[in-house]
Amino acid sequence: GAGVSQSPSNKVTEKGKDVELRCDPISGHTALYWYRQSLGQGLEFLIYFQGNSAPDKSGLPSDRFSAERTGGSVSTLTIQRTQQEDSAVYLCASSPDRSPYEQYFGPGTRLTVT
Amino acid sequence: GENVEQHPSTLSVQEGDSAVIKCTYSDSASNYFPWYKQELGKGPQLIIDIRSNVGEKKDQRIAVTLNKTAKHFSLHITETQPEDSAVYFCAAIPTNQAGTALIFGKGTTLSVSS
Repeated sequence: GAGVSQSPSNKVTEKGKDVELRCDPISGHTALYWYRQSLGQGLEFLIYFQGNSAPDKSGLPSDRFSAERTGGSVSTLTIQRTQQEDSAVYLCASSPDRSPYEQYFGPGTRLTVT
Repeated sequence: GENVEQHPSTLSVQEGDSAVIKCTYSDSASNYFPWYKQELGKGPQLIIDIRSNVGEKKDQRIAVTLNKTAKHFSLHITETQPEDSAVYFCAAIPTNQAGTALIFGKGTTLSVSS
């Protein structure tokens, strides 16, 4: 079946601009995660959505980062006033209720801030 | 919080040899330990996982062992093939977080030469 999809696959933006990254989880998966992967920091957790519960935002690095999940499906990660240190690959993952620990990742969005 | 250490950072083997990657974790209450394979330009792919009530799990050429007393777990790949070349990540789930966000090791770049 279809896996997790993310768009765009690549995004180049100028410092100070806002960007929106999109994630479509696997159909029926109620949990959705955002991670960031950068050369120096490895894979870092950003935010977690589970059903209609309040999201776990404990991994967001600053208040310039926010995320929404509409209708329990698609999620958008927004970065405001981008900085060069925001350059990274942003990965989305989802998990099914039957196996909540198993996370399936999308291909990621490579963000470059110039 | 949970901390996952992974060794080695790079590993080169000849086709047909075995490869072993080791990880240690700090939170004794962690109970789920997945391994991911990431190929260039793709998202991490879940290849095998183990839970704290199991000491070893095998899937064809891949096996994972867990030593809860020592707080370490290992990935074993036998009869390596060139297509096994990728970056491998171990992870653990800490139990003091609201969700089930993964804490990743820094990754091991495996190169299999033919």
